[in-house]
Amino acid sequence: GIQVEQSPPDLILQEGANSTLRCNFSDSVNNLQWFHQNPWGQLINLFYIPSGTKQNGRLSATTVATERYSLLYISSSQTTDSGVYFCAVEHGDSNYQLIWGAGTKLIIKP
Amino acid sequence: DGGITQSPKYLFRKEGQNVTLSCEQNLNHDAMYWYRQDPGQGLRLIYYSQIVNDFQKGDIAEGYSVSREKKESFPLTVTSAQKNPTAFYLCASTLGSYGYTFGSGTRLTVV
Repeated sequence: GIQVEQSPPDLILQEGANSTLRCNFSDSVNNLQWFHQNPWGQLINLFYIPSGTKQNGRLSATTVATERYSLLYISSSQTTDSGVYFCAVEHGDSNYQLIWGAGTKLIIKP
Repeated sequence: DGGITQSPKYLFRKEGQNVTLSCEQNLNHDAMYWYRQDPGQGLRLIYYSQIVNDFQKGDIAEGYSVSREKKESFPLTVTSAQKNPTAFYLCASTLGSYGYTFGSGTRLTVV
């Protein structure tokens, strides 16, 4: 089946720093989404981005489908950005099922 | 406000006991999902349902059962056949390919 790999697995930054999180996938996808899980476990959808670039405030994402990767950019990090960032993809005739990466754990220090 | 409600937040199960996790949504979403998350891991699909009275197994369905008698409700039963049930369980719903909405989760511990 399709493999979804995220890097780095862990990232520790000072408040105000910028970061780039990467998601590689091993086959073509119908859909790619980025999620943020806060330290209490709540998951929030950040981007639905099968291709192209989207921006939402300090966050932006780019998916290059032909090269099978997506990047999530976080600028001017805040402590509330801490948590785990997941990439998840839909593949083939999956009936909207998502295949999840293992996540990048981000810690923003004040 | 529309959303997904999971209950309870914390659940303790004794060996050999069946327990049921509740998931209710008022978003009018057709599809609902149950995921399991182990520490430091991504999410793995247990069961999903796209319409009432129909559901399909996900990657790790063994030891679990579900029902979908109403559009709003998708309860998950963790049976005694699930030998390692301690995990964080997340319910989600979606309308089509995007708009995934998650509940706040249930932490299940075997005692």
